[in-house]
Amino acid sequence: IAGITQAPTSQILAAGRRMTLRCTQDMRHNAMYWYRQDLGLGLRLIHYSNTAGTTGKGEVPDGYSVSRANTDDFPLTLASAVPSQTSVYFCASSDREGNGYTFGSGTRLTVV
Amino acid sequence: GQNIDQPTEMTATEGAIVQINCTYQTSGFNGLFWYQQHAGEAPTFLSYNVLDGLEEKGRFSSFLSRSKGYSYLLLKELQMKDSASYLCASMDSNYQLIWGAGTKLIIKP
Repeated sequence: IAGITQAPTSQILAAGRRMTLRCTQDMRHNAMYWYRQDLGLGLRLIHYSNTAGTTGKGEVPDGYSVSRANTDDFPLTLASAVPSQTSVYFCASSDREGNGYTFGSGTRLTVV
Repeated sequence: GQNIDQPTEMTATEGAIVQINCTYQTSGFNGLFWYQQHAGEAPTFLSYNVLDGLEEKGRFSSFLSRSKGYSYLLLKELQMKDSASYLCASMDSNYQLIWGAGTKLIIKP
């Protein structure tokens, strides 16, 4: 089934630890995105990539990094987690042809 | 600046009709999207408007006025399963979606 796979589904992480959230798509979409969603704030863009080999900063990039070595994978890394990074993280992709985004099922991260 | 406004919460009765409004202001415009998000789940695509007018898809319809920077989502014959958040998003000139905070729709029997 074509779509986006995110892993892990949920994670409890000690503050100060490093963590990588995985995202893989099989739709050959050029663009990929990482969002965090917090109650009352809606979806906030962390980083994006318009095509393999390029990345850009979104609205809330501090404390996060991404890479886009190939079309399919777009991992998000928290170098040293802090409690304010407790959130639900969604990965999304699009073909940048005005067809909207397809979302992964999300990763619920708790930093303690 | 870029901004999307929609009501925070709405309540409606099962079987009734509800209209969720959205106003937007973005750098360039490549269409207006509506997504549905049930609690604890990912957003799923509902509708897309790029031209003025009404697009109907079953019980759901979406309207766009580009000159007014305004859209609405109309839900008819409401069912309990329609209880969810509805996200309005405008696609800017870079094909990035600018998101509203979402409208939580509560359906009462």
